[in-house]
Amino acid sequence: KQEVTQIPAALSVPEGENLVLNCSFTDSAIYNLQWFRQDPGKGLTSLLLIQSSQREQTSGRLNASLDKSSGRSTLYIAASQPGDSATYLCAVRSPSNDYKLSFGAGTTVTVRA
Amino acid sequence: DADVTQTPRNRITKTGKRIMLECSQTKGHDRMYWYRQDPGLGLRLIYYSFDVKDINKGEISDGYSVSRQAQAKFSLSLESAIPNQTALYFCATSESTLPHYTGELFFGEGSRLTVL
Repeated sequence: KQEVTQIPAALSVPEGENLVLNCSFTDSAIYNLQWFRQDPGKGLTSLLLIQSSQREQTSGRLNASLDKSSGRSTLYIAASQPGDSATYLCAVRSPSNDYKLSFGAGTTVTVRA
Repeated sequence: DADVTQTPRNRITKTGKRIMLECSQTKGHDRMYWYRQDPGLGLRLIYYSFDVKDINKGEISDGYSVSRQAQAKFSLSLESAIPNQTALYFCATSESTLPHYTGELFFGEGSRLTVL
């Protein structure tokens, strides 16, 4: 069974600092990995999706890397802003059950002005 | 208007009551899902549907049932609600048409259910 872990559970940084969020998974045979943002009381917004054949994806200030062999993905957010405060979740889709996303519990980020 | 709409957004009910959460989508996706989110546990899959005639159990389907009334509508029912079903419930969709299939999920804003 795929297990997805996100450490730390919470993170607080001053505005302007770069954010580094970690996601690890136990089964390296993945189909893709997706990063989401969740604001309090809201749904999940897809940020980036990395296919298993890719090593990274970029969107604006966001960059996500994937290292299947070590079972890790990292989400980098450059020059953090207070508006980046949210919970970030990663989810891994495994090829044996392509419907099934295994979610991490998330990292709650606070960016202090 | 949201692409994936859930109703109600908030509901408080009592133990033993029947509850239905509804989801509708305008994205034209074939696949729809119901998840629940509990603090510290991440999201867990309850049921999923690949088309109107295809319904499948997820990892935590006990105590729940679903109905896919149309391609755009997927409802989740709790026949007899119990307190440990208190959670945030999410509906999600994804497309399945090759070669553009990515498996990317799109979520509704959630339905917060409290069972007293």
